[in-house]
Amino acid sequence: SQQGEEDPQALSIQEGENATMNCSYKTSINNLQWYRQNSGRGLVHLILIRSNEREKHSGRLRVTLDTSKKSSSLLITASRAADTASYFCVSSSGGSYIPTFGRGTSLIVHP
Amino acid sequence: GAVVSQHPSWVICKSGTSVKIECRSLDFQATTMFWYRQFPKQSLMLMATSNEGSKATYEQGVEKDKFLINHASLTLSTLTVTSAHPEDSSFYICSARQLGYGYTFGSGTRLTVV
Repeated sequence: SQQGEEDPQALSIQEGENATMNCSYKTSINNLQWYRQNSGRGLVHLILIRSNEREKHSGRLRVTLDTSKKSSSLLITASRAADTASYFCVSSSGGSYIPTFGRGTSLIVHP
Repeated sequence: GAVVSQHPSWVICKSGTSVKIECRSLDFQATTMFWYRQFPKQSLMLMATSNEGSKATYEQGVEKDKFLINHASLTLSTLTVTSAHPEDSSFYICSARQLGYGYTFGSGTRLTVV
């Protein structure tokens, strides 16, 4: 499977700051989802955005999708130390429906 | 919502033994299941795709004789790591696809081979 790119690969911020992570993918998609993963643990689903949507909000999360650039961004506002985790975008393309992971962004929020 | 139960959540085994990991879709029929592996500080890499009743399709570089996948029913898929070695130590996670509804991930299995 082709992995998308995510940047930054690592992000270190102070509590209260906003964190922005970007993800790019290679093929046309049905939808794109963002997950978080605490160290060595399972995946927690954060938000899904469909290919016909441009922006979606959920609490402190804001996701955008630009299908012309094949990219998505995840913004976490007013970050907390508990937001420290790895964040992955997962895309599902039109033909295969195989969930494909981006490289992930490791976020550290300092209290 | 759709739930995928994955067991065990962690396992320690001796080198040379085999380990079986199960994934069950609890309230839906999974037409397709995907198996992923994640090494420390890396992303999740697709190992294989399995459709109920047919042989799994393995990604390049994944040994099908070492990682046996069985998808005998629409609610159960198993991954057996045969003759495990320390380099097989990893985090394994499954994902089940429900036709028309997308996919759901299991909670993962941490395998440590000693």
